Amino acid sequence: DAGVIQSPRHEVTEMGQEVTLRCKPISGHNSLFWYRQTMMRGLELLIYFNNNVPIDDSGMPEDRFSAKMPNASFSTLKIQPSEPRDSAVYFCASSFVGKPSTDTQYFGPGTRLTVL
Amino acid sequence: AQKVTQAQTEISVVEKEDVTLDCVYETRDTTYYLFWYKQPPSGELVFLIRRNSFDEQNEISGRYSWNFQKSTSSFNFTITASQVVDSAVYFCALASGTYKYIFGTGTRLKVLA
Repeated sequence: DAGVIQSPRHEVTEMGQEVTLRCKPISGHNSLFWYRQTMMRGLELLIYFNNNVPIDDSGMPEDRFSAKMPNASFSTLKIQPSEPRDSAVYFCASSFVGKPSTDTQYFGPGTRLTVL
Repeated sequence: AQKVTQAQTEISVVEKEDVTLDCVYETRDTTYYLFWYKQPPSGELVFLIRRNSFDEQNEISGRYSWNFQKSTSSFNFTITASQVVDSAVYFCALASGTYKYIFGTGTRLKVLA
């Protein structure tokens, strides 16, 4: 079975440019999470979707960040405009229902973003 | 407040040595879940194990074993006869009630040939 798929795996862009990261969750999973990993802050939850609806976006850094989940098999995380401090590894994860009592979050391979 | 502490920032061992990675957690909830993930040099996060607070049985999977002790709020991970392929950053995480995972800062394990 395919795991969580993310694209691109690496992205290098210049400050001010728009960046779009993509994620395909595991088929049948109803919960999707976007995380950011940096050396300084570790793994941070940015946003959580359940059944394609954003449930918690309190971790989204600022208005430059937006996320969508138009259907059960696709989500995007967009940064516009990008800044050097956005450089990080962005992970997408999915789980069946989003409850640790019943399931586990499975992570994608991540997208390493570098903003020059 | 919930917290996960992985006090060992980096550990180096020689191949075939046993190594234990420590994880100490804090939570006031009586029902909670603990996880270990592996992040190899390639960067992905690989799920290793999930344990709920009502199951204190130790678990063994091949060369991997986990020791869960509620009395000391610890969920330690031991690799027996370590191999170079075990070199990675290992993360411990805690969840209770909600979807939010609290991750530790990770322990970088280097296994030298």
